[in-house]
Amino acid sequence: LAKTTQPISMDSYEGQEVNITCSHNNIATNDYITWYQQFPSQGPRFIIQGYKTKVTNEVASLFIPADRKSSTLSLPRVSLSDTAVYYCLVGVSRFSGGYNKLIFGAGTRLAVHP
Amino acid sequence: NAGVTQTPKFQVLKTGQSMTLQCAQDMNHNSMYWYRQDPGMGLRLIYYSASEGTTDKGEVPNGYNVSRLNKREFSLRLESAAPSQTSVYFCASSDNEQFFGPGTRLTVL
Repeated sequence: LAKTTQPISMDSYEGQEVNITCSHNNIATNDYITWYQQFPSQGPRFIIQGYKTKVTNEVASLFIPADRKSSTLSLPRVSLSDTAVYYCLVGVSRFSGGYNKLIFGAGTRLAVHP
Repeated sequence: NAGVTQTPKFQVLKTGQSMTLQCAQDMNHNSMYWYRQDPGMGLRLIYYSASEGTTDKGEVPNGYNVSRLNKREFSLRLESAAPSQTSVYFCASSDNEQFFGPGTRLTVL
């Protein structure tokens, strides 16, 4: 599984857009990029997944350049409740048919201030 | 629909004691997983079960055993607890993305 590198921490303010970039230089051809969010004292929660270009859902956007060696999670207009740890993972698709072995790094601690 | 449930929520053990962490899911998922998370760290995979009747080691299996009792339940056993096993333990299940339980906070003295 490809190793990922992301910033240890980030700070933002309410209402701002936050972009968290993840590097995955050794991504394989069939690897997808997945982001999870974890609040204190809770298990991680799936946010978004993509393979290339741009993916958007109700909570975030994921931008993936053509070489796929990096990706950027974009959170529009963050609020205090977006304070959490965000994990970037690279591996098989969530639609691979069930089993997927995830390798979590240390993640990015996002702190949103009033 | 409770999702993934774990018991107990908290546990304190003495070195050498044994215990079993229970996990159940009601989403009819095939795959289930056990992770541990140490303070300030990401999750590390202990064991997983790709489908009912199969189990395999993850990154950090030493000191643990698992049982996939049926499709719903996947338990994690510590035979002889050690202080290094103090951690928060998460169970997850998946058919697509992984759904995580609330965690068990284990302290080994």
